[in-house]
Amino acid sequence: DQQVKQNSPSLSVQEGRISILNCDYTNSMFDYFLWYKKYPAEGPTFLISISSIKDKNEDGRFTVFLNKSAKHLSLHIVPSQPGDSAVYFCAASSTGAGSYQLTFGKGTKLSVIP
Amino acid sequence: DTEVTQTPKHLVMGMTNKKSLKCEQHMGHRAMYWYKQKAKKPPELMFVYSYEKLSINESVPSRFSPECPNSSLLNLHLHALQPEDSALYLCASSQEIVSYNEQFFGPGTRLTVL
Repeated sequence: DQQVKQNSPSLSVQEGRISILNCDYTNSMFDYFLWYKKYPAEGPTFLISISSIKDKNEDGRFTVFLNKSAKHLSLHIVPSQPGDSAVYFCAASSTGAGSYQLTFGKGTKLSVIP
Repeated sequence: DTEVTQTPKHLVMGMTNKKSLKCEQHMGHRAMYWYKQKAKKPPELMFVYSYEKLSINESVPSRFSPECPNSSLLNLHLHALQPEDSALYLCASSQEIVSYNEQFFGPGTRLTVL
């Protein structure tokens, strides 16, 4: 059973517009969430994270929103650029037992069209 | 230096071969990880080292043998692999083995077992 779900395998967005990538989780013990970006033939690159004590974290063009009651987080990229085209993985962990464990979603492939 | 390096980039081996994957980081991180990633799937954790000691083995078959010679190096020794072991093997590191430390990934080794 997938504990972290990214229900959209792919997303296409026009350059300059907003990209919104969604992630849902089922494990209520998760309290730290990360987004990774992955280009083909490269390892995942850390993008941005959020702790469950916050509902928003912003870093430049990237903002992550967390809705704990809905067990949902989203990554907003504004404005989207062609170089943002990649696979985006949502990951979650808990500070309890097994805190080393990152549970990944299956990823969403973002294509930004010039 | 914020990089995790992995060698080789590609490896093709037969089922009777013995080979090793290498991973190196010079960020002073004390936790290092091996992940396996199959196509269109999220990374799956295999092993975790903390302060050069094996902390976690996620029920990985004994044909995979990790080794941490020092705080900067992590090896994965391969012997008698099966074709289904073909995958991208990712190494990662983090400051400590706790959830609030982002994991930095290497580019991976693409392994093909014939």
